[in-house]
Amino acid sequence: EVQLVQPGAVVKKPGESLKISCKGFGYIFTDYWIGWVRQMPGKGLDWMGTIFPADSDTRYSPSFQGQVTISADKSISTAYLQWTSLEASDTAMYYCARGQAATIIDSWGQGTLVTVSS
Amino acid sequence: EIVMTQSPATLSVSPGERVTLSCRASQSVSNSLAWYQQKAGQAPRLLIYAASTRATGIPARFSGSGSGTEFTLTISSLQSEDLAVYYCQQYKNWPPLTFGGGTKVEIK
Repeated sequence: EVQLVQPGAVVKKPGESLKISCKGFGYIFTDYWIGWVRQMPGKGLDWMGTIFPADSDTRYSPSFQGQVTISADKSISTAYLQWTSLEASDTAMYYCARGQAATIIDSWGQGTLVTVSS
Repeated sequence: EIVMTQSPATLSVSPGERVTLSCRASQSVSNSLAWYQQKAGQAPRLLIYAASTRATGIPARFSGSGSGTEFTLTISSLQSEDLAVYYCQQYKNWPPLTFGGGTKVEIK
């Protein structure tokens, strides 16, 4: 069974840095793209970007380019989403998601709720 | 960037009724269109890809149709467990992948 395991929740202050993780189980991690999707409270889905762990080829949404960094460590089957300086507007649920050919999201993590508050 | 527009925003339906959800793309996406279901407090789940192909384990009451700019998700007979928000997503031109704003299906 394919599983993407994420931490449940994180609380940070504005200006702090953060790196959240997504560990893949039950499939060959380097065969699929892993992407990140943001869902702000009560809102829809925003695709942020994706990475192919085998060669670290990374694609970003223009809306998130330069705002976050997506990376992966294939040796431990884990992808990451990173911020250098959080803002209150980054408060959201962040899902990692496995993509068939990067584009059809066939498996989702349970999400990490990031709360940024002073 | 391709903009996806879903209608209606909310739909109230009685169990057993047929439900039709619409999704429109700002330019042709051919059949590169997926549908997802998100129940309250849960991650989304893939229902349909390539506009009309059901994902593994998806009940036959869910069907997708359309191509180009107009797409439809149909639930042939609504069950109580189908209460959810449904999103369409194009993958013809990316990045970025783009989602519609969602249609919330309520049980009447």
